[in-house]
Amino acid sequence: AQTVTQSQPEMSVQEAETVTLSCTYDTSENNYYLFWYKQPPSRQMILVIRQEAYKQQNATENRFSVNFQKAAKSFSLKISDSQLGDTAMYFCAFMKTGTASKLTFGTGTRLQVTL
Amino acid sequence: GAVVSQHPSWVICKSGTSVKIECRSLDFQATTMFWYRQFPKQSLMLMATSNEGSKATYEQGVEKDKFLINHASLTLSTLTVTSAHPEDSSFYICSAAGTRAYEQYFGPGTRLTVT
Repeated sequence: AQTVTQSQPEMSVQEAETVTLSCTYDTSENNYYLFWYKQPPSRQMILVIRQEAYKQQNATENRFSVNFQKAAKSFSLKISDSQLGDTAMYFCAFMKTGTASKLTFGTGTRLQVTL
Repeated sequence: GAVVSQHPSWVICKSGTSVKIECRSLDFQATTMFWYRQFPKQSLMLMATSNEGSKATYEQGVEKDKFLINHASLTLSTLTVTSAHPEDSSFYICSAAGTRAYEQYFGPGTRLTVT
């Protein structure tokens, strides 16, 4: 079974600053996907970024980038130029490669962006 | 983009009654849908995987007779909470698998309150 660990329950960052959210996972699989999801107060789950395990290059999406360390089973999310709208719960998630495979979520990190 | 809806968004029911939650993929066909449960300030916990035309696969510890799942068409899955009790009060989220294995599209969630 896969496990996903997020060791930072809460974090705070000032607007325009950079923040990094940590995530580690444990799996015996070699092919998988890793995700960061954002859940704002509306509670709608929003995909932030996806990383395929077979790709060595770290994924980036505008202000969001990841540091994927496969050997260390680490998958951190960096948010640059933080905005007030980034305030949300952030969940790291794991998906085994396959047809319609289920997601395993971490416990989440609550990010507060302040003025 | 792919849209998933849930109905109702909020439901209050009395203890001992049953309540049905619908999950629809509005602009795509979803062979597989997932049902999650989220308690306040906690992560999403997968309850079951719903496959069109077949029985749902429940996660360990989830009572299949209490949480009835039906996936009768490629665009609709339903979750029925039978004989609801206050401890069933929670936020229920569905997701639908897209055409690519890594794609999952989340509904906006349903808040269930059992009095």
